[in-house]
Amino acid sequence: KNQVEQSPQSLIILEGKNCTLQCNYTVSPFSNLRWYKQDTGRGPVSLTIMTFSENTKSNGRYTATLDADTKQSSLHITASQLSDSASYICVLHNTDKLIFGTGTRLQVFP
Amino acid sequence: DAGVIQSPRHEVTEMGQEVTLRCKPISGHNSLFWYRQTMMRGLELLIYFNNNVPIDDSGMPEDRFSAKMPNASFSTLKIQPSEPRDSAVYFCASSLGQGAMNTEAFFGQGTRLTVV
Repeated sequence: KNQVEQSPQSLIILEGKNCTLQCNYTVSPFSNLRWYKQDTGRGPVSLTIMTFSENTKSNGRYTATLDADTKQSSLHITASQLSDSASYICVLHNTDKLIFGTGTRLQVFP
Repeated sequence: DAGVIQSPRHEVTEMGQEVTLRCKPISGHNSLFWYRQTMMRGLELLIYFNNNVPIDDSGMPEDRFSAKMPNASFSTLKIQPSEPRDSAVYFCASSLGQGAMNTEAFFGQGTRLTVV
């Protein structure tokens, strides 16, 4: 069983709509939880970093939440744009390792 | 800074051949990571270095894989002999510090390896 599971695996939305991506984890303890965006053919780029004591972190239209009790994180994208089409990866920093989820593939259509 | 630089961007090789992937981390970063990404398994950590010293190579799949970091500005990942199942995108990433709570890892653009 993966230590970091993401849902849905893929998602299609229309431009301008909001969406929420989910991340459930079993990693414990951890230093921080990150959301990365990976465009096709490129390396992942960090969107947000939250320590285990933080509940929410925003970066423009991206808002990440963390519930340490339920071991869940979400990434909410507001007013989606075509450029948001990418894979979104939830990553936990455990000691000196990054543990990656398998990602959610988001496609935004006009 | 140009970021993490990997070469080549694409590599196609025949089964059995040696493959060498190269990485130049961001200047001043002292941690370097090699990852492999496939559709089936997502991103997997192969090995990481801190101050040029390999700290954890438990993710290296087999003895066919080896990695070196001769200095702070260069690392290689070698596969010898290569096999079709090694086909994947290989990413190098670097970060500042070891175990720092909010250390961000910066990724290169990856090397897409195809072994035929």
